[in-house]
Amino acid sequence: ETGVTQTPRHLVMGMTNKKSLKCEQHLGHNAMYWYKQSAKKPLELMFVYNFKEQTENNSVPSRFSPECPNSSHLFLHLHTLQPEDSALYLCASSQVAQNTEAFFGQGTRLTVV
Amino acid sequence: RKEVEQDPGPFNVPEGATVAFNCTYSNSASQSFFWYRQDCRKEPKLLMSVYSSGNEDGRFTAQLNRASQYISLLIRDSKLSDSATYLCVASSGGYNKLIFGAGTRLAVHP
Repeated sequence: ETGVTQTPRHLVMGMTNKKSLKCEQHLGHNAMYWYKQSAKKPLELMFVYNFKEQTENNSVPSRFSPECPNSSHLFLHLHTLQPEDSALYLCASSQVAQNTEAFFGQGTRLTVV
Repeated sequence: RKEVEQDPGPFNVPEGATVAFNCTYSNSASQSFFWYRQDCRKEPKLLMSVYSSGNEDGRFTAQLNRASQYISLLIRDSKLSDSATYLCVASSGGYNKLIFGAGTRLAVHP
């Protein structure tokens, strides 16, 4: 398997549920990211992990909790979300170097009810 | 001010037309620049990197003007398959913190 894979592809959860999004990259990259894409809004960077260390938390509410156990895996743990958190959550990976692009997974489309 | 700003679009053009997209970025320390393409309900995919000297890939030409903090994308001889949203990207605060613009939607019609 190659590239960046995300599971699940679709998720519907209630506001009191706890769920996790999973991302795995098979590209040998050393950086991983979570982005959020809401309708009619630009991609918003949420978290950056370089060499498994979190280097960026872009003022994300604590109901989103990332975890990076190794350079190939990234999780986003969700709890007590709000309906406005419904969006497409995209994972990406790259090398930590100049002029290297990020490769995206297909995303998890999350609906909070 | 948004870190990366783009033409809002949409651009509706006939096949064969030439279309240009513009983008500005606010962080003068940005070092990496890209254009991505995103199809409806799909993930963004790299179209091309953007270098100071300008670069061309077939029908696509990208330009970077560091003095004006301006990036452009030119598409020549538009195809129906070029219909998508084009995202301008600049790094911020380090090589790999990529900030995306809101995107410009292109619709190419027969």
